[in-house]
Amino acid sequence: DAGVIQSPRHEVTEMGQEVTLRCKLISGHNSLFWYRQTMMRGLELLIYFNNNVPIDDSGMPEDRFSAKMPNASFSTLKIQPSEPRDSAVYFCASSLLLAGGLNEQFFGPGTRLTVL
Amino acid sequence: AQSVAQPEDQVNVAEGNPLTVKCTYSVSGNPYLFWYVQYPNRGLQFLLKYITGDNLVKGSYGFEAEFNKSQTSFHLKKPSALVSDSALYFCAVRGFSGGYNKLIFGAGTRLAVHP
Repeated sequence: DAGVIQSPRHEVTEMGQEVTLRCKLISGHNSLFWYRQTMMRGLELLIYFNNNVPIDDSGMPEDRFSAKMPNASFSTLKIQPSEPRDSAVYFCASSLLLAGGLNEQFFGPGTRLTVL
Repeated sequence: AQSVAQPEDQVNVAEGNPLTVKCTYSVSGNPYLFWYVQYPNRGLQFLLKYITGDNLVKGSYGFEAEFNKSQTSFHLKKPSALVSDSALYFCAVRGFSGGYNKLIFGAGTRLAVHP
């Protein structure tokens, strides 16, 4: 199993540009989590999906951020327009969530985003 | 509301000495507790979890954690530290949102093991 796959690994863009981050879940997992990590704020949960349905998007900072899960194995996180304060490492994590239970999450390698 | 606290920003240990990374939690009901490790420029990796059963949980890379219900703590331990253990360690607790479970992470503790 290849684990969680994220692309790109690094992204440098200019303020105002659209950024799309991609994530492929581990086969058989049914939940996906998008996190953002910065020195100032630590690890923040942005949004998570269960069976392709967004469950909790309260961590999405503002309307410039959107996330989709078009199928059971793939998700995108889009920032439009991007701003310098969006610079961070973005992780996605995959898990198998069962009713009433909670399994460990498997993290991808992250996308380091720099907005100039 | 569920929460987790890691009271130390950094822990310094000499190689070969035992190490402890502290974590306290606040939950309603039975706690599900996790430890993750993050090496530089990598994603978080699962170390161990406590759901139920023995209070001493053994995990990867020789780490273990002790669940203490009366002190609401879940400290991470290792009998003999290695320089390669130097990393950022996160404690997490199960939280609830929209009827589903999620992980609530602490702020992280940086472990530095020096030769």
